[in-house]
Amino acid sequence: EDQVTQSPEALRLQEGESSSLNCSYTVSGLRGLFWYRQDPGKGPEFLFTLYSAGEEKEKERLKATLTKKESFLHITAPKPEDSATYLCAVQLGGYSGGGADGLTFGKGTHLIIQP
Amino acid sequence: DGGITQSPKYLFRKEGQNVTLSCEQNLNHDAMYWYRQDPGQGLRLIYYSQIVNDFQKGDIAEGYSVSREKKESFPLTVTSAQKNPTAFYLCASRSFGNSNQPQHFGDGTRLSIL
Repeated sequence: EDQVTQSPEALRLQEGESSSLNCSYTVSGLRGLFWYRQDPGKGPEFLFTLYSAGEEKEKERLKATLTKKESFLHITAPKPEDSATYLCAVQLGGYSGGGADGLTFGKGTHLIIQP
Repeated sequence: DGGITQSPKYLFRKEGQNVTLSCEQNLNHDAMYWYRQDPGQGLRLIYYSQIVNDFQKGDIAEGYSVSREKKESFPLTVTSAQKNPTAFYLCASRSFGNSNQPQHFGDGTRLSIL
């Protein structure tokens, strides 16, 4: 069964303390891996799409990387406003690739940045 | 501003009652999706639609129904057959471009049982 696993479930950091979140996946036919940020009571906000192993994307203090089995979301010198739940999702099929559409999500990493 | 609007933000259902959650997008996106989010679980796909007047079941479609009569609208009905409807419901949409376009989400509807 296709699966997406995120670790750790929760992470508490001091402001400025860099770290990484992990997303491992056991799927075949990956068509994209997505990172989202979700604030309490809100919908997920899109951050990055990664398509192939070796690819990297950056946005402010965030950097996402992808290998054949996992993705990392690196957070450099985080600030309290980076506190959120970070979600990883994979897409298998879709309109242009055939098969069922939709994303398979991990359970998320709840990140708290303390001042 | 372009975006996805879900309403209402909070909804309460009585036993045996059907309720409908609204999702409207003005992004001119082709596909629309409904997910359910429960505490400690990942988002799970209920239904999706890639084109008007067509939709497909996701992983947990039992007890739910949808329609797609207009490109911009994809309402979800939670029927009385759904025995555990309390959850946070999220609607998403995306376009079919040259690459695998990301899904964008609304801000959800929280459904509770009275």
